[in-house]
Amino acid sequence: DAGVTQSPTHLIKTRGQQVTLRCSPKSGHDTVSWYQQALGQGPQFIFQYYEEEERQRGNFPDRFSGHQFPNYSSELNVNALLLGDSALYLCASSGGQKGGYTFGSGTRLTVV
Amino acid sequence: AQSVTQLDSQVPVFEEAPVELRCNYSSSVSVYLFWYVQYPNQGLQLLLKYLSGSTLVKSINGFEAEFNKSQTSFHLRKPSVHISDTAEYFCAVTHSGGYQKVTFGTGTKLQVIP
Repeated sequence: DAGVTQSPTHLIKTRGQQVTLRCSPKSGHDTVSWYQQALGQGPQFIFQYYEEEERQRGNFPDRFSGHQFPNYSSELNVNALLLGDSALYLCASSGGQKGGYTFGSGTRLTVV
Repeated sequence: AQSVTQLDSQVPVFEEAPVELRCNYSSSVSVYLFWYVQYPNQGLQLLLKYLSGSTLVKSINGFEAEFNKSQTSFHLRKPSVHISDTAEYFCAVTHSGGYQKVTFGTGTKLQVIP
C-alpha cells in the first residue's frame, strides 16, 4: 500500500517564477494538507483540502494556492517566488480515523 | 489558538542511556497530541499519538509519552536509546473536533553518542 507520494523531490527556481508541487495521498485518504518547513524549523500549516475545497488556511499570502482533484490528489502552487520561499514542502493526508496524518517525503524547493 | 513549546532544541545522550524530550502545549479546547520523527532528508513519521483513554501511549520501538492535562505536557521518553534513534523529534497538537490543522513545535534534535 503506497503512502503519500510527492513530486518532484527537488526543485530549483529563480526568484519571481511560479512553481507547482504535486501530492498523491495514501490510499483511502480523502483529506490533504500542505506544510512548509524552513530549515531548522517545525512545519507550518499552509492549507487543507477536502472534497476539492480549501477547508482551512494558515497565515500564508495569496501567492500560495492549491487544488484538489476528484481522485483526492492535490497541487500546491506558489507564484512570484521569493528567496524566503526556499523550504521543504510537505504533504500530509488523512481520512476516516481521527488523529494522525501520513506525511510524504517532501519536495525541497530552492529559490535562487 | 493552539501552540506547542519544545523546551530543548538539542539533546545529546549516550547510547543505552535514558532520554526525555519535553513538550508543553497550549489550547483552550480538547486536544489530540502527537510525536513525529524526522530523519535527515526525509518526511515526518508518526511515532505515537494520544487521542483519548489511557494517558500513557507507547510506540513499537520503545518510546512512550504521557499526556498530563494539568501540566499541559506530553513528554517523550525512552529508557535506553540506540544510535538509530538519532533524528529530529517534533511534538504536535490539534483540536479534537474534526479535521483540524496540526500545529508543530520547533523540534528537538536527539543526538545519540556511541
